[in-house]
Amino acid sequence: DAKTTQPNSMESNEEEPVHLPCNHSTISGTDYIHWYRQLPSQGPEYVIHGLTSNVNNRMASLAIAEDRKSSTLILHRATLRDAAVYYCILRDGVNAGGTSYGKLTFGQGTILTVHP
Amino acid sequence: KAGVTQTPRYLIKTRGQQVTLSCSPISGHRSVSWYQQTPGQGLQFLFEYFSETQRNKGNFPGRFSGRQFSNSRSEMNVSTLELGDSALYLCASSFFQGNSPLHFGNGTRLTVT
Repeated sequence: DAKTTQPNSMESNEEEPVHLPCNHSTISGTDYIHWYRQLPSQGPEYVIHGLTSNVNNRMASLAIAEDRKSSTLILHRATLRDAAVYYCILRDGVNAGGTSYGKLTFGQGTILTVHP
Repeated sequence: KAGVTQTPRYLIKTRGQQVTLSCSPISGHRSVSWYQQTPGQGLQFLFEYFSETQRNKGNFPGRFSGRQFSNSRSEMNVSTLELGDSALYLCASSFFQGNSPLHFGNGTRLTVT
């Protein structure tokens, strides 16, 4: 599985935007970029995913570099409830059907601390 | 819509015993995956089931096994428990399609003494 690199930790203040970076220089053409987060004492939660174009949903935005070797998860206004570990994961959206849809390779993620 | 339900939430077992954990997926989801989370190794994929068949397996010893029932509910079993099996065991369900997101339960915390 292609590897991603994220900072170990980041800090933000409440109601400010947060930009969480992810490097994935070995990404293949069929890899989608997925983001999950894990709040304390909970299982991981899907946030957003994309292939080439920037994506927005009610939780966050995903900005993908033109060469796809990096991406940024954007939380537009951080709240205390956004404090979590954020995981950037590459997932083969084309070939996964031949092997597994349920296998995600998690790295260590970025621990986001939000200050009041 | 009910989320993924895992039972029990906490479990304490003794080394050498066996344990069975249960997972009820979101209604309509037919793929169920299991993960182990420890402070040292992070989140690691155990196996995935679809249509009562194991589709993929992670790098875990044969003491870890699972099964899926016709209603998509799944169980995982760990035999001959070791101290190192203490972990949070997470179940996730999804549609069996390329980019369907995984929906995780809140896990079963297993402590082996």
